[in-house]
Amino acid sequence: AQSVTQLGSHVSVSEGALVLLRCNYSSSVPPYLFWYVQYPNQGLQLLLKYTSAATLVKGINGFEAEFKKSETSFHLTKPSAHMSDAAEYFCAVSFTGNQFYFGTGTSLTVIP
Amino acid sequence: EAQVTQNPRYLITVTGKKLTVTCSQNMNHEYMSWYRQDPGLGLRQIYYSMNVEVTDKGDVPEGYKVSRKEKRNFPLILESPSPNQTSLYFCASSPYLGTGGYEQYFGPGTRLTVT
Repeated sequence: AQSVTQLGSHVSVSEGALVLLRCNYSSSVPPYLFWYVQYPNQGLQLLLKYTSAATLVKGINGFEAEFKKSETSFHLTKPSAHMSDAAEYFCAVSFTGNQFYFGTGTSLTVIP
Repeated sequence: EAQVTQNPRYLITVTGKKLTVTCSQNMNHEYMSWYRQDPGLGLRQIYYSMNVEVTDKGDVPEGYKVSRKEKRNFPLILESPSPNQTSLYFCASSPYLGTGGYEQYFGPGTRLTVT
């Protein structure tokens, strides 16, 4: 059973436009939730994480995500896209803290 | 510098020839894990380790072995590689203090091709 779903494998936005990357998880119990970014030919690095504290989580590079239990969602947003945001973004969940499930990824293209 | 290192970064091998991909971290992390990344499938967890001599299967462990004899090292072993193990492999580490929610630090990846 898939534990995390990322809607949209490719998203294109204009520079300066809102970025919205979607992530939904399958669980009745709120998991630990993460967003990672992968730049070309590199490993993943953490953007932000939700661990049952504030539902609105702020991360690096101006990104933030809101945990919505009723919608089982953890969408990633950034008010104004920059060219340097072009990358692959992965949502990940963990229910136990030791096993992790990653989404299939969303490739973000920023159009100048 | 705090980092996770993997070797080799690129490897082309033939079916059935045993290989080991090494992973080492210098952050004294308890938790280490191996993932494979395939197009359209994202990252899938192969094995993880909560501490020395403690390992467990992830989502896709078939065809892989691991060992954790030292805290800093977590090698991935393919005893008889097959073409379906052609993939990009990542090692990751994080603290683990009895609960989850910790950031994982990823290595640079190892691109493996099995012919």
